[in-house]
Amino acid sequence: QQQVKQSPQSLIVQKGGISIINCAYENTAFDYFPWYQQFPGKGPALLIAIRPDVSEKKEGRFTISFNKSAKQFSLHIMDSQPGDSATYFCAASNYGGSQGNLIFGKGTKLSVKP
Amino acid sequence: DGGITQSPKYLFRKEGQNVTLSCEQNLNHDAMYWYRQDPGQGLRLIYYSQIVNDFQKGDIAEGYSVSREKKESFPLTVTSAQKNPTAFYLCASKGQLYSNQPQHFGDGTRLSIL
Repeated sequence: QQQVKQSPQSLIVQKGGISIINCAYENTAFDYFPWYQQFPGKGPALLIAIRPDVSEKKEGRFTISFNKSAKQFSLHIMDSQPGDSATYFCAASNYGGSQGNLIFGKGTKLSVKP
Repeated sequence: DGGITQSPKYLFRKEGQNVTLSCEQNLNHDAMYWYRQDPGQGLRLIYYSQIVNDFQKGDIAEGYSVSREKKESFPLTVTSAQKNPTAFYLCASKGQLYSNQPQHFGDGTRLSIL
């Protein structure tokens, strides 16, 4: 119930292509879904986040799509660049409930080839 | 610049030794967290603190201890009871525990066994 399942584990995309990372959850009480980007040797940094009352949120080349009925959300990176090569984590939490902590997916290592 | 400072960046532990990882934040955040990151495992919560002098066990607290004597500081001790301590340790903070504010991460400490 508390898991967030992320796929794929790794992804190779050509420069200019679209990178898509998917996450699924079971706990319908989750009400906050952030994505984090992590470069080697650094801590994760918040990339973009969504609440379940919207189906899509876009910030520059990064878009979150959210499907509440399917309990899935995904990150789309348009026009992928070599500088986007990093590990991406989805996460979920229930801020209104008894636990305000994030549950993280296991991560996707993205490599963008020039 | 406000942020989270973790030190040292690299740490080596001898068998039977306790080591302490430092985490300091100047963001005036109430909530602080410690995560452990292993390859392919995502981020797993060790301990978290909602406020000074209060802390709670996370999912993998065995072999670890923390203290929260000051708002700015949340040190993590890896004790000799932690039999597999080799990992990347990340400290994070957030304004308040039960809120949809984003978590901010430090740049981690990599702990290895000698």
